[in-house]
Amino acid sequence: AQSVTQLDSQVPVFEEAPVELRCNYSSSVSVYLFWYVQYPNQGLQLLLKYLSGSTLVKGINGFEAEFNKSQTSFHLRKPSVHISDTAEYFCAVESGSRLTFGEGTQLTVNP
Amino acid sequence: DGGITQSPKYLFRKEGQNVTLSCEQNLNHDAMYWYRQDPGQGLRLIYYSQIVNDFQKGDIAEGYSVSREKKESFPLTVTSAQKNPTAFYLCASSIDRMGPQHFGDGTRLSIL
Repeated sequence: AQSVTQLDSQVPVFEEAPVELRCNYSSSVSVYLFWYVQYPNQGLQLLLKYLSGSTLVKGINGFEAEFNKSQTSFHLRKPSVHISDTAEYFCAVESGSRLTFGEGTQLTVNP
Repeated sequence: DGGITQSPKYLFRKEGQNVTLSCEQNLNHDAMYWYRQDPGQGLRLIYYSQIVNDFQKGDIAEGYSVSREKKESFPLTVTSAQKNPTAFYLCASSIDRMGPQHFGDGTRLSIL
């Protein structure tokens, strides 16, 4: 069975600062990895996904993530955040036909 | 525009009452999913369906039931057996079991 650990439940940063949201996973088989963003009272929106190929994945809104198989990590990064990036971010792993989500990281961008 | 529609946005249930949450998609996706979201717990899978007339239990199926009579629709019934139904419920779909999932805007269920 797979599991996902998001290492920080809350990450406060100042506007235009870089940010990294950390995600580690465990799985005994090959996996697909995803990052989703959720704004208040809305569903989840796909930011980016890793299926195969290049370990550096670029997504929407200037986000990127790097798949590290040896460290079983898939950390999300953005070089310069905006106020509008304030949201909850979820890392997810798919193996078989199911997604397993982490518990989420609340990113708060302060002026 | 293609997408997933969940209704209602807010729902209230009395003790001992069954309620049904609607989920409709016009993306022509084969797979559909129901998740429950509680604060600090991420999303937990209730039920999923990979094709019409077939569905499987997820991690927390007790107290819930589903049907998949049409490709576009995957309603979730929260039965009176679910003792703690207050939560935010999210429906999702994917083109197949390996594809990324697209989410609706959720239904918030509360107990009166």
